[in-house]
Amino acid sequence: DTTVKQNPRYKLARVGKPVNLICSQTMNHDTMYWYQKKPNQAPKLLLFYYDKILNREADTFEKFQSSRPNNSFCSLYIGSAGLEYSAMYLCASSSRGDTQYFGPGTRLLVL
Amino acid sequence: QQKVQQSPESLSVPEGGMASLNCTSSDRNFQYFWWYRQHSGEGPKALMSIFSDGDKKEGRFTAHLNKASLHVSLHIRDSQPSDSALYFCAVRNNNAGAKLTFGGGTRLTVRP
Repeated sequence: DTTVKQNPRYKLARVGKPVNLICSQTMNHDTMYWYQKKPNQAPKLLLFYYDKILNREADTFEKFQSSRPNNSFCSLYIGSAGLEYSAMYLCASSSRGDTQYFGPGTRLLVL
Repeated sequence: QQKVQQSPESLSVPEGGMASLNCTSSDRNFQYFWWYRQHSGEGPKALMSIFSDGDKKEGRFTAHLNKASLHVSLHIRDSQPSDSALYFCAVRNNNAGAKLTFGGGTRLTVRP
């Protein structure tokens, strides 16, 4: 089973409010990733966990937080949503940096 | 920062035809090129990776890599309506660990 699950599939948030997105995988992958995808743009890596080590991209360092309480779960947290956070958020996992398996995404709309 | 450019942005081919997609990296320090495909309502799914010069064939899909020009192409023969999707090229660099850099994608439409 190469399924990556994401919840919720759709999220409506208000400006200034927090947002928490959840991802899970049962493949025992050591690495989990979060990407942001806007229309007509490339998926943009926000951060990834290798085991318990969090790596955040420099240009989004302060905008997103994440936690990985165990090997299977990973969350993406936005402390105060802005209009610019409206996007598709894709979670992926891989083993030792090999093929990345993606979830179906969470579509976030901030109003 | 590395950039990955894909062309064309959109492509329409008849059923049974050949679709050709292109991708170029700006960074010579690459390790692998990946092709991913995303159908509507789903996440991207890996099609194939290539790291050696020349062709790599998997079924109806053939990837061709030219390391000197940092260019990879994907050719889909006997295109089917089910091949209609958004195709992403992604590059893994030697010094980037497990990270991939994605291109903006090519939207392929196969007309019945």
